[in-house]
Amino acid sequence: NAGVTQTPKFQVLKTGQSMTLQCAQDMNHEYMSWYRQDPGMGLRLIHYSVGAGITDQGEVPNGYNVSRSTTEDFPLRLLSAAPSQTSVYFCASSYNGGGDYGYTFGSGTRLTVV
Amino acid sequence: SQQGEEDPQALSIQEGENATMNCSYKTSINNLQWYRQNSGRGLVHLILIRSNEREKHSGRLRVTLDTSKKSSSLLITASRAADTASYFCATDAWAGTALIFGKGTTLSVSS
Repeated sequence: NAGVTQTPKFQVLKTGQSMTLQCAQDMNHEYMSWYRQDPGMGLRLIHYSVGAGITDQGEVPNGYNVSRSTTEDFPLRLLSAAPSQTSVYFCASSYNGGGDYGYTFGSGTRLTVV
Repeated sequence: SQQGEEDPQALSIQEGENATMNCSYKTSINNLQWYRQNSGRGLVHLILIRSNEREKHSGRLRVTLDTSKKSSSLLITASRAADTASYFCATDAWAGTALIFGKGTTLSVSS
């Protein structure tokens, strides 16, 4: 099993550009979520999904869109990149959120907006 | 913000010593989880404790939970240099569909 795969690993964007961060899991997990990690702020929830076709906003959703057309994929779209979106982004998945295995995280995408 | 807080923010110890990290949270929970993050990498799940449990063990890890004080602690016994990492507590949020993280404790274990 590959687990949770995030692409790309690194990305530099210019202000105003748009892009999609990809996240795929092969564990048939229903729960998926996106976090951003900034120095001194820990991880903050951007968007989450409890299954195909179902998404909702987390703590810091502004400037980001998500969709979930399949169980496996949960892409995160930056509509118009801003320097404040410079961060490390993590995708995570879980079978039911509360099991003994918790959430499985991807290795992250380091995004710089200039 | 719904984030919890870890204490201390940073901890430096020698190999063989025990490391204790504390976590406080704000909302009612069904479970609390601890994760480890090695520098520049993704998070790895360590242990989960449910709200009706007071203590749980896994190898060299011991977790306690006090729901009346909305706090938890993680004890790593006989620390090794390989334990050097950041440790985060996380509580279930949005009806258990996602996690709320604390800001983490950075542990440095020197040999």
